[in-house]
Amino acid sequence: ETGVTQSPTHLIKTRGQQVTLRCSSQSGHNTVSWYQQALGQGPQFIFQYYREEENGRGNFPPRFSGLQFPNYSSELNVNALELDDSALYLCASTSGGAGEQYFGPGTRLTVT
Amino acid sequence: QKEVEQDPGPLSVPEGAIVSLNCTYSNSAFQYFMWYRQYSRKGPELLMYTYSSGNKEDGRFTAQVDKSSKYISLFIRDSQPSDSATYLCAMRPPHSGGYQKVTFGTGTKLQVIP
Repeated sequence: ETGVTQSPTHLIKTRGQQVTLRCSSQSGHNTVSWYQQALGQGPQFIFQYYREEENGRGNFPPRFSGLQFPNYSSELNVNALELDDSALYLCASTSGGAGEQYFGPGTRLTVT
Repeated sequence: QKEVEQDPGPLSVPEGAIVSLNCTYSNSAFQYFMWYRQYSRKGPELLMYTYSSGNKEDGRFTAQVDKSSKYISLFIRDSQPSDSATYLCAMRPPHSGGYQKVTFGTGTKLQVIP
C-alpha cells in the first residue's frame, strides 16, 4: 500500500454532466499529479499541483481542472463529460519535485 | 511517433523463466527511468527507479538503462505466476521548479504459466 487514497472507487455519469474526483496524498508529499488511463493504454499526464498551484499541464482541454488544498489533498474536476472521458483516473504523490511517484488505486469513470 | 515505445504483448512464459521487457524512447532529455507493475483494475506499483545509465538490481528484478541507444530494460528472474500483470515503463527529465512530467509507455501484458 502506498498511502495514496482516491475516492470514489468507481462511478457512472451521463454525457454532459460534471464530476469531481478526490485524492489524498501520502504523508509528507506536497506534489500531486493526475493521470488518465484509457483501457489498454499507459497513463497520460493531465496536470500537476505543487504547494496548491498548478505547475504543469498535459494535452488536456480546460474542462479538466483541479485544486490542491493546504493538507495537500487534491481534486480533479471534469466538466461537460464526453464518452471518451471514460477511463481510470489516477493520482500520484511525490515529495517535492524529485523522487518517486506513488500512485493511488484509481477511480474508474464510465460516461454513458 | 510516440516519445516512449513499448511492445504491448501479450507475453506468455513458463514459470521459472527469465523475462525481458523493453522500451525505447526518443527524448534525450529523459534522465529518470521507472518501471511500474499494474494488476488488473489497480493503480501502478513502483518496482524500479533509476537515474541515467547503468544497472540496478532489487531481488529478482534488474533494470538496465542505455542512454546512448535510448533503450531501457527490465529483467525478471525465476518468474512466478504472481508476476502476471502489465508492466509499464516510465521516464522523465530532471525536475524544474517542483515540476516533473512523467511519460509512460503503453505497457506490456505478461502472463506466467504455472
